[in-house]
Amino acid sequence: ETGVTQTPRHLVMGMTNKKSLKCEQHLGHNAMYWYKQSAKKPLELMFVYSLEERVENNSVPSRFSPECPNSSHLFLHLHTLQPEDSALYLCASSQSHGQGDTEAFFGQGTRLTVV
Amino acid sequence: LAKTTQPISMDSYEGQEVNITCSHNNIATNDYITWYQQFPSQGPRFIIQGYKTKVTNEVASLFIPADRKSSTLSLPRVSLSDTAVYYCLVGYLSGTYKYIFGTGTRLKVLA
Repeated sequence: ETGVTQTPRHLVMGMTNKKSLKCEQHLGHNAMYWYKQSAKKPLELMFVYSLEERVENNSVPSRFSPECPNSSHLFLHLHTLQPEDSALYLCASSQSHGQGDTEAFFGQGTRLTVV
Repeated sequence: LAKTTQPISMDSYEGQEVNITCSHNNIATNDYITWYQQFPSQGPRFIIQGYKTKVTNEVASLFIPADRKSSTLSLPRVSLSDTAVYYCLVGYLSGTYKYIFGTGTRLKVLA
């Protein structure tokens, strides 16, 4: 248990569906992250939120839409996804963003399959 | 952008010490070196972090030479449960700090 909880753990969705991934952290951290991990590929940073404001958007397609309503919650809204978007989506949090010695705590991820 | 290079995979036997080396030739002055462990279908878990010389905690040691162009994660007396992928990360400053994960080292511990 890392203090970062992701739901659901598994999700199967069609290409025309709309779904959302949820992340909650109980650590009092100020920064939250979404990563994508595809099979046999390194983790790719998608979005970074610091103090509830988006500070990074690494050229992620618009079919992925993040939302950070408060410092404890982070969502990833999904719509009209493609099969190649199937991956493990990981949420992480850290005390702050912008310092090299920051330790990130990861959730267990949501295994997404797009059919 | 500090990139990391690690061996793709390693095998070891239970009870042995395992050393995984990471190259980061263009590490910058303000960069820290961090190692994570990841089991299948789980998120990475922080192991250890260092800036220079040697750092030790209850699970691992991290050795960093003076030039900081490489680092070595040392796992003492590994067990079967240490079978996982190990990632070396170097944070880099581009506006704000970013952590970019490399391809990792897949460690397999054999009985």
